[in-house]
Amino acid sequence: KNEVEQSPQNLTAQEGEFITINCSYSVGISALHWLQQHPGGGIVSLFMLSSGKKKHGRLIATINIQEKHSSLHITASHPRDSAVYICAVRGYLGSGSRLTFGEGTQLTVNP
Amino acid sequence: DVKVTQSSRYLVKRTGEKVFLECVQDMDHENMFWYRQDPGLGLRLIYFSYDVKMKEKGDIPEGYSVSREKKERFSLILESASTNQTSMYLCASSAPTGYEETQYFGPGTRLLVL
Repeated sequence: KNEVEQSPQNLTAQEGEFITINCSYSVGISALHWLQQHPGGGIVSLFMLSSGKKKHGRLIATINIQEKHSSLHITASHPRDSAVYICAVRGYLGSGSRLTFGEGTQLTVNP
Repeated sequence: DVKVTQSSRYLVKRTGEKVFLECVQDMDHENMFWYRQDPGLGLRLIYFSYDVKMKEKGDIPEGYSVSREKKERFSLILESASTNQTSMYLCASSAPTGYEETQYFGPGTRLLVL
């Protein structure tokens, strides 16, 4: 069993739909990251969470530390949101700078 | 803005060749990382470095080596390329700022070994 599991692996939506991508992890963490990878390969960091909720534009990320679960929500989805979304966790301070990654969720938003 | 550049976007090599992948960052970051990304497996850490001339093995170091002679540059070396090393290779860098630390990624190099 992977330390970080995402669901679904693939997601197709129509423009305007509300989208949720889930991430569960099995280890203690100090932080969780949501990353976005567009076709062509480049990866950008969307959020870093250690508790609660963060919002940036149409994107919302939440984390429940007790349940070891995080969600990434996209409101009013748009075709330009089509990308791979990756969840990554960092262990407790002192475990270094290493991240453990989920396999990613391929999101396709159709017009 | 942090910029992480990789020497090639696409590379085609033959089995047995020695392959060099270069990564340069312009933000004076102490930490640098090399990953490979394969369908169904996600990103896996090959090697990382916390300082010049320092290296640590990641989860899949076999068949690879690294070099960090200058702070801004981290090179990944495939000593004798094999077909199972065909993959997307991503470099990243970060400053060690505790739990706020964020990794910045390069654009990736798609390597095909024939």
